[in-house]
Amino acid sequence: DIVMTQSPESLAVSLGERATINCKSSQSVFYISNSKNYLAWYQQKPGQPPKLLIYWASTRESGVPDRFSGSGSGTDFTLTISSLQAEDVAVYYCQQYYSTPWTFGQGTKVEIK
Amino acid sequence: QVQLVQSGSELKKPGASVKVSCKASGYMFTNYAMNWVRQAPGQGLEWMGWINTNTGNPTYAQGFTGRFVLSLDTSVSTAYLQISSLKAEDTAVYYCVRHTAVAGSGWFDSWGQGTLVTVSS
Repeated sequence: DIVMTQSPESLAVSLGERATINCKSSQSVFYISNSKNYLAWYQQKPGQPPKLLIYWASTRESGVPDRFSGSGSGTDFTLTISSLQAEDVAVYYCQQYYSTPWTFGQGTKVEIK
Repeated sequence: QVQLVQSGSELKKPGASVKVSCKASGYMFTNYAMNWVRQAPGQGLEWMGWINTNTGNPTYAQGFTGRFVLSLDTSVSTAYLQISSLKAEDTAVYYCVRHTAVAGSGWFDSWGQGTLVTVSS
């Protein structure tokens, strides 16, 4: 199984500042045949189901604000919120869909400082 | 628009069974696989398995074999998760989640609202 490890477990960022979440996979999720990283990011607000933010490691889902961006390749990935807004308070999860079982990181809680 | 509407919360005694439904609308049901994800109280997301909505063939993650059954009724665009011999540790929110492919790899683009299953004597 591919183990996904996120860091930090939580972070507090001032409004308007940058938030950076890291995700590391225990093996590469890069598929050479199509040059794609099989990595997604989700946002879960309290009492709500998760919501897809990013897939293919860096492609924003339709309707997701452009302050959210994803980067990285192979085994190391980053989700960046360029200017934190109050509505971004949530837990963020990375997930690999390279091979079953599809696995999630343990989550990173983002709060306002 | 794509909607996944799950059945309501359940309170069950240990040893009982529960069947959670997930009704899909807004898209061709058999064009996308359906996954199930568990979230225990205060915990993260755990993938339970998925079902090919074309063939009805389920695939289970380790730890979700035996007591867990995924099924479909394509005539009403509904997926089901049945859990038998319930234990206290099955207490969780269960999500149905659309997969962006009927089989093979894909991300999770639409989530049901979740069904809380509480197992308590």
